Amino acid sequence: EAQVTQNPRYLITVTGKKLTVTCSQNMNHEYMSWYRQDPGLGLRQIYYSMNVEVTDKGDVPEGYKVSRKEKRNFPLILESPSPNQTSLYFCASIPAGVKNIQYFGAGTRLSVL
Amino acid sequence: AQTVTQSQPEMSVQEAETVTLSCTYDTSESDYYLFWYKQPPSRQMILVIRQEAYKQQNATENRFSVNFQKAAKSFSLKISDSQLGDAAMYFCAYQEYGNKLVFGAGTILRVKS
Repeated sequence: EAQVTQNPRYLITVTGKKLTVTCSQNMNHEYMSWYRQDPGLGLRQIYYSMNVEVTDKGDVPEGYKVSRKEKRNFPLILESPSPNQTSLYFCASIPAGVKNIQYFGAGTRLSVL
Repeated sequence: AQTVTQSQPEMSVQEAETVTLSCTYDTSESDYYLFWYKQPPSRQMILVIRQEAYKQQNATENRFSVNFQKAAKSFSLKISDSQLGDAAMYFCAYQEYGNKLVFGAGTILRVKS
């Protein structure tokens, strides 16, 4: 089954404790991205990757890092989480040649205390 | 930068009736895609309908249809014969070919029985 898998689905952590949210897709998609969803703001792009070893900032990259060492994986790293990073996070991927549709993961609810 | 505006934070509709959700966007591009996504309480992002800007014909998917007014930069979603399962947050989104999605703030749709 074609899917984008995020883990964990829920995470509660404390300020300053490094964490990683994993994202994996089994569709051989080149383009992957991370969004955060906040009330009244919709979803905003954090980082994206056009292909392996190619990443770039989205609209709200501060406080986040990403890496793309393999085509299927695109982890989101919070090196020193802060309460303002409490949010709902989505990973998404786009197939090559059909760039008008995005496949979303199920979301990760993160709370930073 | 492209922006997407959903001016209705909340809407209500009686079961079996019709409701229209509004969306306007701002862009200087001529070729792009527009989407409506549904987000139920499960938080999953579900694609409802998409419209390609170069197509004048309004997209339709069963009970869901859009009114796409390119000159006015308007993209409203009409839900006919509303059902309890339609209750959700609805996001309007804009995408240039191959690039990120820009989302509106969302509209919560409540369906009354």
